[in-house]
Amino acid sequence: GENVEQHPSTLSVQEGDSAVIKCTYSDSASNYFPWYKQELGKGPQLIIDIRSNVGEKKDQRIAVTLNKTAKHFSLHITETQPEDSAVYFCAARGGDGGTALIFGKGTTLSVSS
Amino acid sequence: KAGVTQTPRYLIKTRGQQVTLSCSPISGHRSVSWYQQTPGQGLQFLFEYFSETQRNKGNFPGRFSGRQFSNSRSEMNVSTLELGDSALYLCASSLRGSSYNEQFFGPGTRLTVL
Repeated sequence: GENVEQHPSTLSVQEGDSAVIKCTYSDSASNYFPWYKQELGKGPQLIIDIRSNVGEKKDQRIAVTLNKTAKHFSLHITETQPEDSAVYFCAARGGDGGTALIFGKGTTLSVSS
Repeated sequence: KAGVTQTPRYLIKTRGQQVTLSCSPISGHRSVSWYQQTPGQGLQFLFEYFSETQRNKGNFPGRFSGRQFSNSRSEMNVSTLELGDSALYLCASSLRGSSYNEQFFGPGTRLTVL
């Protein structure tokens, strides 16, 4: 089955710097890759997603890139702000028609001002 | 539009008991998926329901079960609770449940088993 590896597990940056989180997946049939942000005491919030027929997607300060050949995808956050501090999860959904998301272990991002 | 709601938000049970958790999806969404979140294992898929039918199931024992009602609301049940069942149980809804549909999560139910 699908396996998703996420790095780093923790990331500390200064306000205004960029942050990059990387994920690799094992199932070449996976076709959908969402990113979630989870704040303390809340459920994961979808922040951006990318489908397998797209190489890059951007939404304001957030961008995601996908390399299908290498089976990895990355989240890029520019001009980080203290409110970006949270746990970020990448996920992959297999191409078997199912809807189950397989999640990475998460990255705790800390943005200091 | 209201988001995904889960009740109760917190629950304390003892070993051997059973528990039922409830999830109301976003209005119009027909697919409900359940996930277990623990510090050690992270987020793990339990099962998915679409139009009152279980479409997909994760690798969890039969003590974990669920159902979906005609109004798309879903419940999950855990019987014979074990200490290891302590976790945040998350419900996610999506419009049609196809591979490309976004999943939106609720706030979760924090279950503590003593």
